[in-house]
Amino acid sequence: GAVVSQHPSRVICKSGTSVKIECRSLDFQATTMFWYRQFPKQSLMLMATSNEGSKATYEQGVEKDKFLINHASLTLSTLTVTSAHPEDSSFYICSAQNLAGGDTGELFFGEGSRLTVL
Amino acid sequence: GQNIDQPTEMTATEGAIVQINCTYQTSGFNGLFWYQQHAGEAPTFLSYNVLDGLEEKGRFSSFLSRSKGYSYLLLKELQMKDSASYLCAVRDSNYQLIWGAGTKLIIKP
Repeated sequence: GAVVSQHPSRVICKSGTSVKIECRSLDFQATTMFWYRQFPKQSLMLMATSNEGSKATYEQGVEKDKFLINHASLTLSTLTVTSAHPEDSSFYICSAQNLAGGDTGELFFGEGSRLTVL
Repeated sequence: GQNIDQPTEMTATEGAIVQINCTYQTSGFNGLFWYQQHAGEAPTFLSYNVLDGLEEKGRFSSFLSRSKGYSYLLLKELQMKDSASYLCAVRDSNYQLIWGAGTKLIIKP
């Protein structure tokens, strides 16, 4: 099956610093990747849809200047949490669809990145 | 508004069968998905239903009734490793995925 790799898996940073999370599709080309945030005991919350070569589409309530998304190639999307604060501490997960061979809608998820802002 | 409802938590015994229900109200329907998520890990795909009926995949089966806005995930021969959260998600008319809050399944020996 399709593989999505996310890095780093865990990051601890000081308040005010920026953190970059990478999401790679290892064996397929992902024109669209999705970034989610998940707080403890809550469901996935879609933050933005990342399209290769164009600006990301952000969900209502998500600050695009705070959560910078770059999708420079068909296999890489990055999420940068700028000027992170403790309330940004969360589990961030990326996902992608492999549309080759037909759309089943299945999402392939990265391993997730647990961000802790001190 | 769009809504996905599933029980918050369920408990079952190892070796038994458990059914996790999901009801939905969405603007349009383009498929329903079940994902498994172990604590601290990303979700993994379990099943996809777009037509009414039962889809069987090993110990796991998923059922869909579009007229009732209802699905269930059936897990047979439960194993301790099945302890996880099970997420129901519906793709709406805009092909947006609407996620349920997940059902935490606790398996007891």
